[in-house]
Amino acid sequence: EAEVAQSPRYKITEKSQAVAFWCDPISGHATLYWYRQILGQGPELLVQFQDESVVDDSQLPKDRFSAERLKGVDSTLKIQPAELGDSAMYLCASSLAVRSLNYEQYFGPGTRLTVT
Amino acid sequence: GENVEQHPSTLSVQEGDSAVIKCTYSDSASNYFPWYKQELGKGPQLIIDIRSNVGEKKDQRIAVTLNKTAKHFSLHITETQPEDSAVYFCAASRGAAGNKLTFGGGTRVLVKP
Repeated sequence: EAEVAQSPRYKITEKSQAVAFWCDPISGHATLYWYRQILGQGPELLVQFQDESVVDDSQLPKDRFSAERLKGVDSTLKIQPAELGDSAMYLCASSLAVRSLNYEQYFGPGTRLTVT
Repeated sequence: GENVEQHPSTLSVQEGDSAVIKCTYSDSASNYFPWYKQELGKGPQLIIDIRSNVGEKKDQRIAVTLNKTAKHFSLHITETQPEDSAVYFCAASRGAAGNKLTFGGGTRVLVKP
């Protein structure tokens, strides 16, 4: 069964350092999402890509967060500099193109970030 | 923007009993409502979903109902088993108009053997 891959699974970093997360969506999924999940809460969308283009980054803190999907396949989310409040689970999800009318989103295992 | 509220936040049931989780949403343009199960340390797993043109959907022991007029939808789990213990999230999106999921706060379900 095809799955969304993410790495690393766990990351501990000191505040003010840079950190990056990687995601490989299910093959053939044109839409890729990055969500942040604070402990005890539901995930919140940070950024959505359709192929290599950003569709929605309205909730992405652009002063410190950046995301790219250069070839429309895998994606990288970066935080620089990291702050204590960034400690959370970062989840990647993918789906078929929205125009396909199939809206099912499949999540990866996530990257647990701890900022000290 | 969309706001999704979920109740209860915790639910303890005896094995074999039923569990019901309820969600309300605010955006009348939302038309896609998935439910996810999340186990400790894992990503959310899609378990069932429903679209606004359907009132009820069932898959084995789980079912979802949708009331568009009242803007609420519910997850029903029958004959609960210990492996159903997890955190469950409801979500809503506008589908083709932008598939951003807005999640509820989650329900921690504990099934006691």
